Amino acid sequence: RKEVEQDPGPFNVPEGATVAFNCTYSNSASQSFFWYRQDCRKEPKLLMSVYSSGNEDGRFTAQLNRASQYISLLIRDSKLSDSATYLCVVSTSGGSYIPTFGRGTSLIVHP
Amino acid sequence: GAVVSQHPSRVICKSGTSVKIECRSLDFQATTMFWYRQFPKQSLMLMATSNEGSKATYEQGVEKDKFLINHASLTLSTLTVTSAHPEDSSFYICSARSTSGGYEQYFGPGTRLTVT
Repeated sequence: RKEVEQDPGPFNVPEGATVAFNCTYSNSASQSFFWYRQDCRKEPKLLMSVYSSGNEDGRFTAQLNRASQYISLLIRDSKLSDSATYLCVVSTSGGSYIPTFGRGTSLIVHP
Repeated sequence: GAVVSQHPSRVICKSGTSVKIECRSLDFQATTMFWYRQFPKQSLMLMATSNEGSKATYEQGVEKDKFLINHASLTLSTLTVTSAHPEDSSFYICSARSTSGGYEQYFGPGTRLTVT
């Protein structure tokens, strides 16, 4: 089983739709969780950190479920500019908190 | 804030030559920097973790003598691809993690290496 798993998609949704991605992780000692966004041929950019209490930033909401070992990202009112690959990143304690990336979920928002 | 630069952004070199890529954190100090490689339509692959003032830790399957990493200061890490081969052609991305705050990483814009 991979350490961090994501549905690769693509998720193809119309503008204005709500879309949700899940990411599961296998190491119960994982401490830090993030969502990054990567556009084609560009570097990943931090979208948001994921806290135990959940957090919201505008149209984006991230949740952490430690019991089931998954994190989620909800995007409301999708925009064309949301089209990208969304990467789930999990860091585990012990030394340097080495990050582990999921393979990413591709989102395509169409008019 | 949290800007990371990489230089060069694009490089073409001949087989057998060496290429140095610089990664700088511009407005924060980074005790830890990471080097990744990404092939087209594939996920990021961690190559090595670089801690300032100590030797880099390489991931399994990454040759430390081929990919030389130097993290000489809290704002600079370099990756040198030695004796480059065409199969080394890839997108190399560095990231830096701040000495303070959470464990977020901030990525450089990447270096596209083509070995002919």
